[in-house]
Amino acid sequence: DTAVSQTPKYLVTQMGNDKSIKCEQNLGHDTMYWYKQDSKKFLKIMFSYNNKELIINETVPNRFSPKSPDKAHLNLHINSLELGDSAVYFCASSQDLWQGAGYTFGSGTRLTVV
Amino acid sequence: KNQVEQSPQSLIILEGKNCTLQCNYTVSPFSNLRWYKQDTGRGPVSLTIMTFSENTKSNGRYTATLDADTKQSSLHITASQLSDSASYICVVHNTDKLIFGTGTRLQVFP
Repeated sequence: DTAVSQTPKYLVTQMGNDKSIKCEQNLGHDTMYWYKQDSKKFLKIMFSYNNKELIINETVPNRFSPKSPDKAHLNLHINSLELGDSAVYFCASSQDLWQGAGYTFGSGTRLTVV
Repeated sequence: KNQVEQSPQSLIILEGKNCTLQCNYTVSPFSNLRWYKQDTGRGPVSLTIMTFSENTKSNGRYTATLDADTKQSSLHITASQLSDSASYICVVHNTDKLIFGTGTRLQVFP
């Protein structure tokens, strides 16, 4: 049973396209996140949602739009993809926002924009 | 500016040897400090979590230390195994999000 699952694992697409990455957690956590890992392997937060409410938006271009239909899901939609969007995107969840108890990461989605 | 710096950037050791990875941070406010292991093509997996008042914490062959006064942490790996080859990332929980270091790439050779 995968705790935090992302789909797809790999995504290759052309510049200008719109794509979505899905994330689901079965841990009963209240908070979910999206992180971006760049070519230098540096992970940085993009968004966090707590009980379906947007908490953090770390100066991410508005071409990125997260959507949380319920506490167990946090999807990431990207419009007008650019070459610089190529990276590995990690979804994560935690029991709470302020202590980050039980923080668990998905296995990542490698996005390649050509 | 909230930053987490790690050294060395990469490390090669022989199987069975010990090693120590270093982390310095300038993150405020501070909730806790974590060490993560990230295998190639996988998400980060938590090794240890330490709060402000904890100086040391062990998880099997991994022992982490924290000096909250000097804002330094270390991760000591004992009797390394081939499966320890991975990136080790020092992470500080900053109230509502994780601040990641750039990681130390460890390679263990037979």
